[in-house]
Amino acid sequence: AQSVTQPDIHITVSEGASLELRCNYSYGATPYLFWYVQSPGQGLQLLLKYFSGDTLVQGIKGFEAEFKRSQSSFNLRKPSVHWSDAAEYFCAVGARAGGGNKLTFGTGTQLKVEL
Amino acid sequence: GAVVSQHPSWVICKSGTSVKIECRSLDFQATTMFWYRQFPKQSLMLMATSNEGSKATYEQGVEKDKFLINHASLTLSTLTVTSAHPEDSSFYICSARTTPGQGVGLNQPQHFGDGTRLSIL
Repeated sequence: AQSVTQPDIHITVSEGASLELRCNYSYGATPYLFWYVQSPGQGLQLLLKYFSGDTLVQGIKGFEAEFKRSQSSFNLRKPSVHWSDAAEYFCAVGARAGGGNKLTFGTGTQLKVEL
Repeated sequence: GAVVSQHPSWVICKSGTSVKIECRSLDFQATTMFWYRQFPKQSLMLMATSNEGSKATYEQGVEKDKFLINHASLTLSTLTVTSAHPEDSSFYICSARTTPGQGVGLNQPQHFGDGTRLSIL
């Protein structure tokens, strides 16, 4: 079964500083990987996804993530954080096989941005 | 594009009543929709996969008679919480995946609604 671990429950960074959110996955083959962001009381917005090809993926809002097979990781990065980036971030893994394409989410990382 | 609308966004009702939540894909067709439940400060837990024109597939531990799912069209899925009790209070989120063939490959990302906050008194 697939699983996702987000080791950091909370992260606080200063506005303008760089950001890296960690994500490790467990899956028997090359997975589909996603990062979503959730603002309080709202649904999830897709930041970026990895299906295949270039292991460095560019997303919206200046985010990027790098798929590292050897480390089973898909860490999210942003070179300069804005106060509006404060939110909950979820990493998710999707199964390749089968028609369900179910997503398994990590427990999330709450990002706080200090002005 | 790929907008998912969820309604209502917030509902409060008495214990024992049934509540229906709608999930609509506004600008694309979705043969598959997913229903999640999210407890405060926790991640999303998949409840069921809703397939247009067929019965939903429930995850282990989810009562199908408690959480009725209907996916009658390519743009609408509904979740009905029957005889709701305080322990059913939660944040329910739906997502929809584009129909294979409309995008690149079979596995398209899920697009999420804004969620429904359900409070049972």
